[in-house]
Amino acid sequence: AQSVTQLDSHVSVSEGTPVLLRCNYSSSYSPSLFWYVQHPNKGLQLLLKYTSAATLVKGINGFEAEFKKSETSFHLTKPSAHMSDAAEYFCVVSEVVGFQKLVFGTGTRLLVSP
Amino acid sequence: SAVISQKPSRDICQRGTSLTIQCQVDSQVTMMFWYRQQPGQSLTLIATANQGSEATYESGFVIDKFPISRPNLTFSTLTVSNMSPEDSSIYLCSAGTLNTEAFFGQGTRLTVV
Repeated sequence: AQSVTQLDSHVSVSEGTPVLLRCNYSSSYSPSLFWYVQHPNKGLQLLLKYTSAATLVKGINGFEAEFKKSETSFHLTKPSAHMSDAAEYFCVVSEVVGFQKLVFGTGTRLLVSP
Repeated sequence: SAVISQKPSRDICQRGTSLTIQCQVDSQVTMMFWYRQQPGQSLTLIATANQGSEATYESGFVIDKFPISRPNLTFSTLTVSNMSPEDSSIYLCSAGTLNTEAFFGQGTRLTVV
């Protein structure tokens, strides 16, 4: 079975500094991996997805993630945090081909201070 | 992209009662799913809603507690039956076609008292 582990439950950064949210995955075959963001009292929004094409994936709002098979990692980064980035971030793996049946990590809450 | 509407957006229910949550998609989709997000927790898949047949439930979830219907390609319902305070969660509908991303509704915030 597929699974993901988000290594930090909370990450705190200052506005304008880099963001790193860590995720490791476990998969018996080449996985499809995603990062979703959930703002308070709002729905889930897809930030980016990896589907066995380019290993460096660029998403919305300046986020990107790099798929590293040797490290089984899919860390999310952003060069410069903005206050509006404060939210809950979920690393997600697709259990089946087709990106639909999703297994969510436990989430990382990103806090951004002025 | 698909727009997913869920009703109700929130509700407060008495223990022992049942609540039916509706999920409407604005376009035909192949797959629909129901997830639960307990307070402060991540999302857990409850079941896959299959059009015209019984839903496929994940381990730990049963049809008697969470009956699901999907009469057509754009609509599904999830019922939370015989509710207890432990059922207080956000319930989310997800939908998409085979090769698109999974789109999510805004969720239904359920509080059982």
